[in-house]
Amino acid sequence: NAGVTQTPKFRILKIGQSMTLQCTQDMNHNYMYWYRQDPGMGLKLIYYSVGAGITDKGEVPNGYNVSRSTTEDFPLRLELAAPSQTSVYFCASSYSGGGSATNEKLFFGSGTQLSVL
Amino acid sequence: LAKTTQPISMDSYEGQEVNITCSHNNIATNDYITWYQQFPSQGPRFIIQGYKTKVTNEVASLFIPADRKSSTLSLPRVSLSDTAVYYCLVGPNQAGTALIFGKGTTLSVSS
Repeated sequence: NAGVTQTPKFRILKIGQSMTLQCTQDMNHNYMYWYRQDPGMGLKLIYYSVGAGITDKGEVPNGYNVSRSTTEDFPLRLELAAPSQTSVYFCASSYSGGGSATNEKLFFGSGTQLSVL
Repeated sequence: LAKTTQPISMDSYEGQEVNITCSHNNIATNDYITWYQQFPSQGPRFIIQGYKTKVTNEVASLFIPADRKSSTLSLPRVSLSDTAVYYCLVGPNQAGTALIFGKGTTLSVSS
């Protein structure tokens, strides 16, 4: 199993451009999450999904959109990139919600480093 | 959601035991406590998880008192490679709840 795969690893955008960060997992996990991490800071939840067709907002959803058409994929869309969206983006997945059953845990991808200039 | 509070940073020397405590006063009955480790430029990775009392694996131990309002991650005989950020995460008490990370504890290990 590849686990959680994120693409691209690095990207530079100009202000106002749009892009999609891709995330796919091959573990048949129900739950998927998008986090962002600003330099020297902790993780902030952007959006999450409990299954195909179901998404919900996290702590910092403004400026982002998500979709979950399949169990495997959970892309994150930036429509009008702004400098405040410069960050490292992590996608994660878990079988259920993580932490609610013995040995449930989050699996993270390696991240996408995004700069908006 | 149970909010967590951890020390911002800790310093240690190689070979010492490190204990990082996390407070979670409003933990729910069905919540589990999970700790993650994050190295620079990497995503967090699972270390250990527990519900009550003590859990031990090949990496760490987790101590949870009877009231479950706090937990302590114990790292035995740390090395330089244990320098990382450690996050305490308290699980959702119902399906569909978001998983919110706290600020984490930056552990610096020196020789």
